[in-house]
Amino acid sequence: NAGVTQTPKFQVLKTGQSMTLQCAQDMNHEYMSWYRQDPGMGLRLIHYSVGAGITDQGEVPNGYNVSRSTTEDFPLRLLSAAPSQTSVYFCASSYSRGKGETQYFGPGTRLLVL
Amino acid sequence: SQQGEEDPQALSIQEGENATMNCSYKTSINNLQWYRQNSGRGLVHLILIRSNEREKHSGRLRVTLDTSKKSSSLLITASRAADTASYFCATVPLEGGYNKLIFGAGTRLAVHP
Repeated sequence: NAGVTQTPKFQVLKTGQSMTLQCAQDMNHEYMSWYRQDPGMGLRLIHYSVGAGITDQGEVPNGYNVSRSTTEDFPLRLLSAAPSQTSVYFCASSYSRGKGETQYFGPGTRLLVL
Repeated sequence: SQQGEEDPQALSIQEGENATMNCSYKTSINNLQWYRQNSGRGLVHLILIRSNEREKHSGRLRVTLDTSKKSSSLLITASRAADTASYFCATVPLEGGYNKLIFGAGTRLAVHP
C-alpha cells in the first residue's frame, strides 16, 4: 500500500490564484481530513469527510472547499489564494469515522502564497 | 482554538537520557494520542490512550494520563539520536462525533550523540 499520498510537494502561488491540493489513500479508509500547520503551532483541522459524498467544516474552513466523490480521493481547493494561506498542508485518513481510530498522515504540501 | 499545550516547547538531551514531555488540555476527552514529526515530514502515530486508562507502554515509550488534571506525559527512555523530532499530543473531544483531532503546538526534542 502507498498509504496517504499528497501532490504537489511544494507550490508557489500568487495572491488571487486558485489551485487544488490532491490527497489519495489506498487503504479503503472511511474518514479523511485536511489540516494546516503553521510555524510554532500544532495542526488545525480545515475540513473532514466521513465518507464519499459527505464533508463538513473543521476549525479553519474559510477560503477552502472540499469534495469527496470517491472513497480514495479528498482534494482541497483554494478558491482565491491569500498570503495567510501560506502553510504546510497535511491530509490524513483513518479506517472509520469513530473516535479512537489511528490516523495516517500524508507527507504534506508546502504552499507559499506571494 | 488549540486544545493541548505541550511543555516544554523545546528539549535538548544526550543519547541514553530519558526525555519527558507534558501535555495539558482543556475539555473532556474520549482519548489522547501522541504523534512524532520528523523535520519536513508527515506525522506518525505513536500511541493512543483512552480516557479510562491511566498508563500505556509501547517499546521505549510510556504515556500517562490524568483526567482529573487534564494532563498527559510522554516518556521516552534511553533516547537515541533518531528520536530527534517534534512530538505532538492530540485529543479527541468527548463531545461531538467523529475522529477529529485537536493538536497542541508540540515539543521539539533534540537528542545529541
